[in-house]
Amino acid sequence: GENVEQHPSTLSVQEGDSAVIKCTYSDSASNYFPWYKQELGKRPQLIIDIRSNVGEKKDQRIAVTLNKTAKHFSLHITETQPEDSAVYFCAAKKGFGNEKLTFGTGTRLTIIP
Amino acid sequence: SAVISQKPSRDICQRGTSLTIQCQVDSQVTMMFWYRQQPGQSLTLIATANQGSEATYESGFVIDKFPISRPNLTFSTLTVSNMSPEDSSIYLCSGVRGAENTEAFFGQGTRLTVV
Repeated sequence: GENVEQHPSTLSVQEGDSAVIKCTYSDSASNYFPWYKQELGKRPQLIIDIRSNVGEKKDQRIAVTLNKTAKHFSLHITETQPEDSAVYFCAAKKGFGNEKLTFGTGTRLTIIP
Repeated sequence: SAVISQKPSRDICQRGTSLTIQCQVDSQVTMMFWYRQQPGQSLTLIATANQGSEATYESGFVIDKFPISRPNLTFSTLTVSNMSPEDSSIYLCSGVRGAENTEAFFGQGTRLTVV
């Protein structure tokens, strides 16, 4: 089955700097890669996703890049703010509907004011 | 995305008892999933809840311990049976509309403590 590795496990950045979280996946058939943000005691919330027919996607301060050849994808957060502090999970799945997600191990991001 | 209401939000249970967690979606979804999340850990898939048929369990999870029901396209339950302290965790349900809409959205979670 699919295996998703995520690095780093913890990340601290100064407010205003950029943060990058990287994930690799094992199954070349995976074609959908979402990123979730989970604040303490809250449910995971989708913040951005990318499909395999696209190399990059941006949404304001957040961007995701995908390298299908190398089987890795990354989350980029620019101009970080204290409210970006949370745990971030990457995930991967095959298909475009009903298949299950495989999650990475998570990255605890702390923004230092 | 749709909204999932999950309850209870938390519970403290005696070992040997069972707890049933409910998830209600405000619109039809093709797939529902149940996850377990230990504090500070990632999400581990327990099973896929199939509407009108038996759930599909992941390795390490069995129906006798985690029976699941999904009577329709908007509702599912997970029961944690014969609980032990090792079952203390956060349990989350998730829904996917399917087809073009691939986003998976989550209930707010149930924090279970077994004493």
